[in-house]
Amino acid sequence: GNSVTQMEGPVTLSEEAFLTINCTYTATGYPSLFWYVQYPGEGLQLLLKATKADDKGSNKGFEATYRKETTSFHLEKGSVQVSDSAVYFCALSDRNTGNQFYFGTGTSLTVIP
Amino acid sequence: DAEITQSPRHKITETGRQVTLACHQTWNHNNMFWYRQDLGHGLRLIHYSYGVHDTNKGEVSDGYSVSRSNTEDLPLTLESAASSQTSVYFCASSESWETQYFGPGTRLLVL
Repeated sequence: GNSVTQMEGPVTLSEEAFLTINCTYTATGYPSLFWYVQYPGEGLQLLLKATKADDKGSNKGFEATYRKETTSFHLEKGSVQVSDSAVYFCALSDRNTGNQFYFGTGTSLTVIP
Repeated sequence: DAEITQSPRHKITETGRQVTLACHQTWNHNNMFWYRQDLGHGLRLIHYSYGVHDTNKGEVSDGYSVSRSNTEDLPLTLESAASSQTSVYFCASSESWETQYFGPGTRLLVL
């Protein structure tokens, strides 16, 4: 079946530090992969996505590369800011299993000045 | 601009009461979803719909029901609220298997 595993949190970083949040997936078909971000008190927002192997999604300085060989989609940012403090969710969608999304458990990031 | 709204944003109810959470989207999306978010579990799918009069059970559907009478709305009903249903509920919609758009959430407390 389909599932997503992402690194446990919480993660605390100093401003301008490098961020990596690991995400691996299991899928029966050819999934699209997503990172969503949830700011305090809000719903989830799409951060970036990649629809096929070797694609790189990017937005707001965040990047993730769809690695089929390692079934991974790790989120990275070179220099985090206090405003990046949020919960980050990795997710997959597989057209072969309808329009459902499969979410990881979320990783809480706190960036301190 | 198109959007997805949820109401109420906060709700306190008592055990055994029926509760309905509203979800309304103006994207004109066929697909709509209800999730609950709990610490340590991430988002879990409750029910989903691929169109008018279509409803399907998700991973944690026991104690919940939905109905879809039009494209814009998918209300979620808790038939007899239980303390285990205290959670944050999110509605989402999508046009295809790519990219879901989420509402702001409803925080429900069952006493």
